[in-house]
Amino acid sequence: GDSVTQTEGPVTLPERAALTLNCTYQSSYSTFLFWYVQYLNKEPELLLKSSENQETDSRGFQASPIKSDSSFHLEKPSVQLSDSAVYYCALGIGGSQGNLIFGKGTKLSVKP
Amino acid sequence: NAGVMQNPRHLVRRRGQEARLRCSPMKGHSHVYWYRQLPEEGLKFMVYLQKENIIDESGMPKERFSAEFPKEGPSILRIQQVVRGDSAAYFCASSPETGRSYGYTFGSGTRLTVV
Repeated sequence: GDSVTQTEGPVTLPERAALTLNCTYQSSYSTFLFWYVQYLNKEPELLLKSSENQETDSRGFQASPIKSDSSFHLEKPSVQLSDSAVYYCALGIGGSQGNLIFGKGTKLSVKP
Repeated sequence: NAGVMQNPRHLVRRRGQEARLRCSPMKGHSHVYWYRQLPEEGLKFMVYLQKENIIDESGMPKERFSAEFPKEGPSILRIQQVVRGDSAAYFCASSPETGRSYGYTFGSGTRLTVV
């Protein structure tokens, strides 16, 4: 069935370090992929979305779907303190469980 | 504000009382989803509704929990006879028909505390 697997957290990085959060998926459908970010005591919000080999970027974050290994890793060349949050990878599907399934989330802490 | 509106933001209930959480989807969105988030945990899918229909309730506990999305008015998540373990943040999200390509917009959540 359809599924999403993310980097096990928590992840701790110093300021200005490079970030990669892994996301792999299994899907029976054409692929729509999303990254959501949830800051402390806030709701999840859409960070970026992509479909079918289309690289996308937002707020300095980038992700490129790679069909050959079913991945959609989130990258940022230089993280800031304000990037500390939980990041969720999500897969667009059809049918039951709504239209998106979410990974378990990865908590990122950026330290000075 | 044309976003997803949830109320109340905070709700305190004593054990055994009922909790009613409301969600008005974003304008133009006809699909509503409810998620539960326990402290320090991820999003757990509960139920997916369209107007007057429950599409998928596979994540709902079998007892005490129910949801509806009437023809008029907001979607309601109802928890009867609350217990301490129901304390969590409950998020509602909405999407248009094309949710799988559009994605979801989340409301700011209702924080339920059972005392």
